[in-house]
Amino acid sequence: DTEVTQTPKHLVMGMTNKKSLKCEQHMGHRAMYWYKQKAKKPPELMFVYSYEKLSINESVPSRFSPECPNSSLLNLHLHALQPEDSALYLCASGRAGSPGGEQFFGPGTRLTVL
Amino acid sequence: RKEVEQDPGPFNVPEGATVAFNCTYSNSASQSFFWYRQDCRKEPKLLMSVYSSGNEDGRFTAQLNRASQYISLLIRDSKLSDSATYLCVVNDVGNQFYFGTGTSLTVIP
Repeated sequence: DTEVTQTPKHLVMGMTNKKSLKCEQHMGHRAMYWYKQKAKKPPELMFVYSYEKLSINESVPSRFSPECPNSSLLNLHLHALQPEDSALYLCASGRAGSPGGEQFFGPGTRLTVL
Repeated sequence: RKEVEQDPGPFNVPEGATVAFNCTYSNSASQSFFWYRQDCRKEPKLLMSVYSSGNEDGRFTAQLNRASQYISLLIRDSKLSDSATYLCVVNDVGNQFYFGTGTSLTVIP
């Protein structure tokens, strides 16, 4: 099973809402990632979890809060977002450690902030 | 200076043509290299890992030149279904991956 799943597929939220994005993988990967992607741009790294611990935070605003409850799950909690946060949010997983192996991406959550 | 640089294109080629993409990376300590394909409004999908010895998968050939710090992807006998954005991805030490800007390919009937 080389699948990463993400829910929801689409999300529309107001600037005062609180919502969560979910990601799950069953490939035994111990590194999980959140990326943000705007149209016609490459994915932009937000967070990396390695062995369920946050290892990289690319100076992401605190209105985005990641959580890794266990080795298969990754959440991204959203609060007080801005319209410019509208984007495709991609989760990925891969082998932890160095060198890194391939990353596998989920289908993404398309987020619109009104 | 960007970690990974790619020519964004667009590349518009006729069916059956051969097309090559190049990508350069700045960190000589980079360890793993990949080409991903991304269709419009979809997630990136792994196309090939790139090894120093070069590797081939059907119509696709990837090569790595560590001395010059570049990676290439060659697509032979282009198909309409090859139209996509091709992303060059480099892994440095640890779990940090760096993406090129992507190269847009359109194969024309």
